[in-house]
Amino acid sequence: NAGVTQTPKFRILKIGQSMTLQCTQDMNHNYMYWYRQDPGMGLKLIYYSVGAGITDKGEVPNGYNVSRSTTEDFPLRLELAAPSQTSVYFCASSYTGAGPYNEQFFGPGTRLTVL
Amino acid sequence: KNEVEQSPQNLTAQEGEFITINCSYSVGISALHWLQQHPGGGIVSLFMLSSGKKKHGRLIATINIQEKHSSLHITASHPRDSAVYICAVTAGNQFYFGTGTSLTVIP
Repeated sequence: NAGVTQTPKFRILKIGQSMTLQCTQDMNHNYMYWYRQDPGMGLKLIYYSVGAGITDKGEVPNGYNVSRSTTEDFPLRLELAAPSQTSVYFCASSYTGAGPYNEQFFGPGTRLTVL
Repeated sequence: KNEVEQSPQNLTAQEGEFITINCSYSVGISALHWLQQHPGGGIVSLFMLSSGKKKHGRLIATINIQEKHSSLHITASHPRDSAVYICAVTAGNQFYFGTGTSLTVIP
């Protein structure tokens, strides 16, 4: 299994440009997550999905959109990039049934700079 | 105020020392997670616990639900343990993360 894969690894955007960060998992996990990590700050949840066709906002969703058309893929869309969106973005997945949330598996991250 | 607070922020230890990292949280939780972030940026889940204690190799995690506190212990620390250790909690459908403890183990 490849686990959780993210593309691209690095990207530089100009203000106002748009882009999609790709995330794919091959573990048949139902839950998927997008986080951002700013220097000196903890990870912040942007959006999450509990299964195909279902998404919900996390702590910092403004400026982002997501979709989950398949179990495997959970792309994150930035429509009008702003310097405040400069960050490292992590995608994660977990299999969650009844009971507490289970172990999350993280992708390698995408380092995004908006100039 | 952050929902999850960790201490210390930075920690330097000699190889072989016993290390403790603390995590306090202010929300009702269904689970607490300890994560390890390597210098290259990759994040690995170490433990998920909702009560008591868990052990994996030289790592031990404990949680006290009444006191809203968890500790991560590393016995016989080794330079390869050098990383950032992150505490996170699950509260409802939300995850909240601490800012991490940067550990350096010197040979």
